[in-house]
Amino acid sequence: DAKTTQPPSMDCAEGRAANLPCNHSTISGNEYVYWYRQIHSQGPQYIIHGLKNNETNEMASLIITEDRKSSTLILPHATLRDTAVYYCIVRVSPGTYKYIFGTGTRLKVLA
Amino acid sequence: DTEVTQTPKHLVMGMTNKKSLKCEQHMGHRAMYWYKQKAKKPPELMFVYSYEKLSINESVPSRFSPECPNSSLLNLHLHALQPEDSALYLCASSRNIAEDEQFFGPGTRLTVL
Repeated sequence: DAKTTQPPSMDCAEGRAANLPCNHSTISGNEYVYWYRQIHSQGPQYIIHGLKNNETNEMASLIITEDRKSSTLILPHATLRDTAVYYCIVRVSPGTYKYIFGTGTRLKVLA
Repeated sequence: DTEVTQTPKHLVMGMTNKKSLKCEQHMGHRAMYWYKQKAKKPPELMFVYSYEKLSINESVPSRFSPECPNSSLLNLHLHALQPEDSALYLCASSRNIAEDEQFFGPGTRLTVL
């Protein structure tokens, strides 16, 4: 089953871009990469997902390497409200539709 | 309405009590999920319902009993819990069980004494 590896914590200055990496070297060809975040004491919130092309929405951009073994979530202009734990998830075993959250990256945006 | 609601927000129960957690969504989603999250750990999937039928049970002990009475409601019945079951219980829903994003509720913080 595909697993993800993320750095445990990162800091980012307010207003700067936050680049959060994720390694998923065992990903299968038809598995998607999802990103969620969890602000303290709240439920996780969906951010973005992709298969192999780069994706962008109003919250973030997702860059997936050509070999799909890693990806980067980019928050273009981080604010204090972006302080959260960010989870990179690869859908496990196509057909079972199961999601496994990794340990995540605790992002702290500094004023 | 793009919200998943959960009640109660907090619950304290003894090991001999029976209680239930409730989750509700009115987005027309046909997949609903229960997750358990211990402090400083990621959420762990417990159960998945698809079209009101149990689709995935992650080998959860029988003291946790899920129920999906209709497409908008998901319950988690609790009986004879242990102190180590104290955690944040999160409910989520998605349009279907495939690749769609999951919408999470705020969770119920459960303490078992």
